[in-house]
Amino acid sequence: AQSVAQPEDQVNVAEGNPLTVKCTYSVSGNPYLFWYVQYPNRGLQFLLKYITGDNLVKGSYGFEAEFNKSQTSFHLKKPSALVSDSALYFCAVRAYTNAGKSTFGDGTTLTVKP
Amino acid sequence: DTEVTQTPKHLVMGMTNKKSLKCEQHMGHRAMYWYKQKAKKPPELMFVYSYEKLSINESVPSRFSPECPNSSLLNLHLHALQPEDSALYLCASSQGYSGANVLTFGAGSRLTVL
Repeated sequence: AQSVAQPEDQVNVAEGNPLTVKCTYSVSGNPYLFWYVQYPNRGLQFLLKYITGDNLVKGSYGFEAEFNKSQTSFHLKKPSALVSDSALYFCAVRAYTNAGKSTFGDGTTLTVKP
Repeated sequence: DTEVTQTPKHLVMGMTNKKSLKCEQHMGHRAMYWYKQKAKKPPELMFVYSYEKLSINESVPSRFSPECPNSSLLNLHLHALQPEDSALYLCASSQGYSGANVLTFGAGSRLTVL
C-alpha cells in the first residue's frame, strides 16, 4: 500500500517570506513523488517531480522540493512567496510497481498575505 | 497543444437523466484517467485507460460508465446518479502508464445532481 501525509491543512505566510509545505510518504520500493497545485475551480497543475538522482528538484514558478529518503519526506519550498501562490497544494506518490495509481495527500491550503 | 479539454464545464441533471462528460487531448498521451473530486479534498481515482483499454476500475458504481473511443477521447456516461455524486469530475492524461509519468489535468466538469 502507498500513502501520503500532508500534516498541515493550512499554511499562512507573508509575501516575500520563504514558504514550506510538508509532505511525507509511505511506499514499497522506490517512490515517484509529485507536487501539484490547484487554483479555485480549476484542475490540478503539475509543479515538479522526483524520480531519481539529485535530491533537490526545481520546478515551475520558482518552487523546489527536497527528497529525503531517510525521513521519507518531500517538502515543497519557495524562497520568496507571492500572493499569487495562494492555492491548494497536493503531494502525490506513485510506486514503481503500482503504475497507473497516484495516491494524493489531503492537500494543504497556502495563503500568502500581502 | 498541451491541454486536456473537458466539456461541459457545468452540468445539472436529475436522478433519472442520462448525460455524458467528454474529455479530449491531442498530446499523443496513451493513458487517460477519470477522477472525482469533492470540495477541498484530493482527487479520487475512478478509471484508467491505457492504450484505449480499461486498466483500472476502482470499484466505481455501474451508474458511471467510461468509454474510450480512440486514443484522444475519453467519455464518462452518467445514468441514474445520486445527489452524493455531485462533484468536480477531472479528466487527466499521461504520456505513458508507468509511475514516472506526469498527469496533465483538464479544468474539470462540475456536476450537480438534483
